[in-house]
Amino acid sequence: GDSVTQMEGPVTLSEEAFLTINCTYTATGYPSLFWYVQYPGEGLQLLLKATKADDKGSNKGFEATYRKETTSFHLEKGSVQVSDSAVYFCALKGNTGFQKLVFGTGTRLLVSP
Amino acid sequence: EAGVTQFPSHSVIEKGQTVTLRCDPISGHDNLYWYRRVMGKEIKFLLHFVKESKQDESGMPNNRFLAERTGGTYSTLKVQPAELEDSGVYFCASSQLMTGSSGNTIYFGEGSWLTVV
Repeated sequence: GDSVTQMEGPVTLSEEAFLTINCTYTATGYPSLFWYVQYPGEGLQLLLKATKADDKGSNKGFEATYRKETTSFHLEKGSVQVSDSAVYFCALKGNTGFQKLVFGTGTRLLVSP
Repeated sequence: EAGVTQFPSHSVIEKGQTVTLRCDPISGHDNLYWYRRVMGKEIKFLLHFVKESKQDESGMPNNRFLAERTGGTYSTLKVQPAELEDSGVYFCASSQLMTGSSGNTIYFGEGSWLTVV
């Protein structure tokens, strides 16, 4: 079945450092790919998405590019802030019929001043 | 526009008791999903309603879990009797009915945090 693999956390960075959180997937066909974020004490929020190969999703300074050849959707940000501390979930959803989101295990990011 | 709302936000119950979680989806969203995250693990799918019908309940762990969506509006997820391993965060999500469109966004609630002691 479909699956998502994320790098294990926590990822600990200093403010203004460069962030990469790796995500690879296994799926039949051409799924859509998503990054969700959960800030402390809050629910899941959609951060960005990409629906086809080579698409780049971006939001709040975060970016991720849908790489079909490497089945990857790595999350990047050039300069993290303390307020980016959260748990980040990579997810995919198939594109036929009724499809559910399949999530990775989540990666906790801790940014210190 | 109101988002997906869930109640209660936190619940602590004893093993063997019953808990009912409620979800109000975004108005007009026919798709409603329940997910669960057990401590430190991935977020796992439980089931999917299309309007009042169960489209996919393959993720429901066992018969102690019962989900309903009367009238195709709000949904409830009952756990009876609760066990220790049921502790976790239960997320509800909703989306518009756009079959075959993988890009339609699924919106999540803030989750119901369940602790079974």
